[in-house]
Amino acid sequence: DAKTTQPPSMDCAEGRAANLPCNHSTISGNEYVYWYRQIHSQGPQYIIHGLKNNETNEMASLIITEDRKSSTLILPHATLRDTAVYYCTRMKTSYDKVIFGPGTSLSVIP
Amino acid sequence: DARVTQTPRHKVTEMGQEVTMRCQPILGHNTVFWYRQTMMQGLELLAYFRNRAPLDDSGMPKDRFSAEMPDATLATLKIQPSEPRDSAVYFCASGLVQELAGVYDTGELFFGEGSRLTVL
Repeated sequence: DAKTTQPPSMDCAEGRAANLPCNHSTISGNEYVYWYRQIHSQGPQYIIHGLKNNETNEMASLIITEDRKSSTLILPHATLRDTAVYYCTRMKTSYDKVIFGPGTSLSVIP
Repeated sequence: DARVTQTPRHKVTEMGQEVTMRCQPILGHNTVFWYRQTMMQGLELLAYFRNRAPLDDSGMPKDRFSAEMPDATLATLKIQPSEPRDSAVYFCASGLVQELAGVYDTGELFFGEGSRLTVL
């Protein structure tokens, strides 16, 4: 049980922002939201994580709703290389059972 | 550039044979995960370790799978005997969990490139 819900697939035009939603309505107070992506059959790669506040790094931005029941990963200017499966996961502060769901398959279209 | 190293990258074997996959976590990391990925099941958590001690292996078929950490630089996943349904990509991931004044600081998980197993 991944305990997160994501749309199975999304398309995004190259150069536009890709907004990937994740629902984690049962998240508890000490669980972070983490995002990873997997390109082809490579190992998943960390993107970003957050607890309560919005976060930004060189790869993406993470917007977490005030009630923490959902979040959105934003790739500001999607490129073809961003085509991948994106996983939203919950991680307790003690690394308890990191479970990955099916994720969202993002296709960036030229 | 620190990374998680997995061997072998590819393995083809016959049903009934023993298979051992190895993982070298990033130096200094204290937590190691084993995942299995198939098209049908996605990424499944098999087992994980903290400071070399197994914390949970409930995702593993106990009769044929075993996971160990002989030392801090090596994690192994063994299948004996292997079956065709074990064909999958096996990923190892490592991370560092630190506790400061009762608060755990988790970092990101670093994944290896995976071991692709085919059991004929």
